[in-house]
Amino acid sequence: GAVVSQHPSRVICKSGTSVKIECRSLDFQATTMFWYRQFPKQSLMLMATSNEGSKATYEQGVEKDKFLINHASLTLSTLTVTSAHPEDSSFYICSARGWTSGSAGWTGELFFGEGSRLTVL
Amino acid sequence: RKEVEQDPGPFNVPEGATVAFNCTYSNSASQSFFWYRQDCRKEPKLLMSVYSSGNEDGRFTAQLNRASQYISLLIRDSKLSDSATYLCAATPSGGSYIPTFGRGTSLIVHP
Repeated sequence: GAVVSQHPSRVICKSGTSVKIECRSLDFQATTMFWYRQFPKQSLMLMATSNEGSKATYEQGVEKDKFLINHASLTLSTLTVTSAHPEDSSFYICSARGWTSGSAGWTGELFFGEGSRLTVL
Repeated sequence: RKEVEQDPGPFNVPEGATVAFNCTYSNSASQSFFWYRQDCRKEPKLLMSVYSSGNEDGRFTAQLNRASQYISLLIRDSKLSDSATYLCAATPSGGSYIPTFGRGTSLIVHP
């Protein structure tokens, strides 16, 4: 099946630094990728939709200047957390949609990267 | 009201038990539904899609009730390895088909 790879899996940084997280689709082209954030015992919260070759679409309440998204190719999207603070510590997960054909027609399943656990000291 | 709601649990069941989770969705235009499994500190992984006619995969059965706007997941003969958080997701029709996730239901299977 489709595979999405995310790197790094874990990062610890000092407050005020910037952290870049990469998300790659390994065996399919993804014109659209999604970035989620998940706090402990909470649901996945969509942060933004990353569109290849154009600007990302951010969800309400997500600061686009703080969470920079770049989708320069059909297989790579990056999320940069700028000037990170302790409250940004979270589990960041990217995903890409792979379309599969089944008994119910085409369904778009989300395939997730392994996630990146960010800890800001 | 949240778009997708789940009982967070935890559901604490003995090995071999049958357990069922429900998930309600508020957007009547939702088109596709999924159950994901998420292990602690890991990414969600697709468990199964949910079709209108219901579908079964081994010990797992998923059902969709459009009239009442809920989906369910039934796990038979629970194994210790089934312990995880189960997330349901609903995708609206049209637009970018971005799914909305519930907060997950925690399952603990004990010996």
